[in-house]
Amino acid sequence: ETGVTQSPTHLIKTRGQQVTLRCSSQSGHNTVSWYQQALGQGPQFIFQYYREEENGRGNFPPRFSGLQFPNYSSELNVNALELDDSALYLCASSRRSSSGGGSYNEQFFGPGTRLTVL
Amino acid sequence: AQSVTQLGSHVSVSEGALVLLRCNYSSSVPPYLFWYVQYPNQGLQLLLKYTSAATLVKGINGFEAEFKKSETSFHLTKPSAHMSDAAEYFCAVSASFGNEKLTFGTGTRLTIIP
Repeated sequence: ETGVTQSPTHLIKTRGQQVTLRCSSQSGHNTVSWYQQALGQGPQFIFQYYREEENGRGNFPPRFSGLQFPNYSSELNVNALELDDSALYLCASSRRSSSGGGSYNEQFFGPGTRLTVL
Repeated sequence: AQSVTQLGSHVSVSEGALVLLRCNYSSSVPPYLFWYVQYPNQGLQLLLKYTSAATLVKGINGFEAEFKKSETSFHLTKPSAHMSDAAEYFCAVSASFGNEKLTFGTGTRLTIIP
């Protein structure tokens, strides 16, 4: 069983540029969540996708956007990069049943992409 | 809204000593609580979770946590620290059991003294 993978592992951009980060979900998982972890802080929820639809969003501006593909891989796009966007970006996948709640859908985290904005 | 507060950004214990990492929660609904560990340059790994069943929860690597509603706490403990326990630990809360949207604390870095 392949775990969650993310690419690239490290990335350096300059202020104002755009960036795309990628995540491959664990096999059989249909839900992906993205988190931003600034240095010395806990991860903060950006948004979540379930079956290719956005399913909740944290307190992040619209320049943070995402996609989930039919194979349940995902992208996080950030436009107009700012210095404060420098962080470790984590994705986490889980398998949610169509019947909904009743059991915890454990999230499996990828190793993250370290983004540095200069 | 839910939130968690981790008391102590850095904790140092001697190898073989008790590990105690503190977490207090705030929630308007019965919370679902989690502890994650993060090793350097790695993602987060789930240690244990509280799901409103037993208040004493046992996790991996010898860790356990006790949910105390009266104290709004969910402290993480391990009887005897190992060098391999050195890592960053995060407490997190979710509004519902099937809801994977987690709110994390700021983390506690655990250092093990040989």
